[in-house]
Amino acid sequence: NAGVTQTPKFRVLKTGQSMTLLCAQDMNHEYMYWYRQDPGMGLRLIHYSVGEGTTAKGEVPDGYNVSRLKKQNFLLGLESAAPSQTSVYFCASSYRNEQYFGPGTRLTVT
Amino acid sequence: DAKTTQPTSMDCAEGRAANLPCNHSTISGNEYVYWYRQIHSQGPQYIIHGLKNNETNEMASLIITEDRKSSTLILPHATLRDTAVYYCIVRVFDTDKLIFGTGTRLQVFP
Repeated sequence: NAGVTQTPKFRVLKTGQSMTLLCAQDMNHEYMYWYRQDPGMGLRLIHYSVGEGTTAKGEVPDGYNVSRLKKQNFLLGLESAAPSQTSVYFCASSYRNEQYFGPGTRLTVT
Repeated sequence: DAKTTQPTSMDCAEGRAANLPCNHSTISGNEYVYWYRQIHSQGPQYIIHGLKNNETNEMASLIITEDRKSSTLILPHATLRDTAVYYCIVRVFDTDKLIFGTGTRLQVFP
């Protein structure tokens, strides 16, 4: 099992550009999540999904959109990137007690 | 906002027990205490969780006070690889969200 994978690992965007981050899991988990982590801080929940075709807002959803068209994939979109969105983005999936995290995507917006 | 309070940092000698405290004085009856850790810049890793009884697994022990207002994570024989940020999280069982605080940075030294 690959677990949770994230694509890409690194990305640099200019202000106003758009991009999509892909999260994939092969554990057949229902729940998936997107977090961001800024330097020196804990993770903050952006959006999450409790199953295929469903999404919901987390703590910091503004400026992001998500889609869960297939159970194994959870996409995070930035329509118009801003410097404040420079961060490390983590995806996770879960079954009951434990969330499994991906390796992260480091995004810089200039 | 995170519902837990943890010390910012702690040190521990290799081979000794690391005891990481956490205060969660506003915890509700149906909320569990979860511990995750984040090594360097990797995705967080689940360690252990509990409701009111003490718990032990292959990684750690969790001691929860009788009034449930605080808990301690114990790494019985810390190694250099246990150097990480440890997050104490209060979570309603089987719900969708983890609210991370800033955690405790544990430094294990030789």
